[in-house]
Amino acid sequence: AQRVTQPEKLLSVFKGAPVELKCNYSYSGSPELFWYVQYSRQRLQLLLRHISRESIKGFTADLNKGETSFHLKKPFAQEEDSAMYYCALNAGGTSYGKLTFGQGTILTVHP
Amino acid sequence: GAVVSQHPSRVICKSGTSVKIECRSLDFQATTMFWYRQFPKQSLMLMATSNEGSKATYEQGVEKDKFLINHASLTLSTLTVTSAHPEDSSFYICSARAGGLANEQFFGPGTRLTVL
Repeated sequence: AQRVTQPEKLLSVFKGAPVELKCNYSYSGSPELFWYVQYSRQRLQLLLRHISRESIKGFTADLNKGETSFHLKKPFAQEEDSAMYYCALNAGGTSYGKLTFGQGTILTVHP
Repeated sequence: GAVVSQHPSRVICKSGTSVKIECRSLDFQATTMFWYRQFPKQSLMLMATSNEGSKATYEQGVEKDKFLINHASLTLSTLTVTSAHPEDSSFYICSARAGGLANEQFFGPGTRLTVL
């Protein structure tokens, strides 16, 4: 069975500082990984996915199969980045479309 | 982007009653909808996968007779919590997937259920 681990429940940084939200996964196959974000009083929304190799709102994430990680990074955090971030995995195969979520990390960016 | 709505946004009911939650995809047809449950300050736990016109697939440990799911059309799925008890109090979130190669799920705003 697949598993997603976000070791940090809370992460605080100051505005302008680099930020990295950690995500590790366990899955024997080839996973599809996502980062979702939930701003205060808003619904969950997709931030980025590994297959797109894109940068959204200054965030990037690289899939490292050797370390089974998909850490989310931003070089200069902004106050508006404060939110709950979830890493999620789609295992594919018969589980195609089903997402396994990590526990989430609350990011707080202080002025 | 695609919009998913849920109704009601919050509901309070007495123990033993049944509660129906609707999930609608407003501007696209959802071949698959998912129902999640979220406890306070915890992650989303997938309860079931709902495909239009077929029976829902429940995750291990989720009682299908307790949580009835109906996906009657490509834009509507309903979750009915039958004979609700206080331990069913939770935040229920649905998501919808349009199908095809794009594997993005669009999430509803969630429904807060409180069972007294």
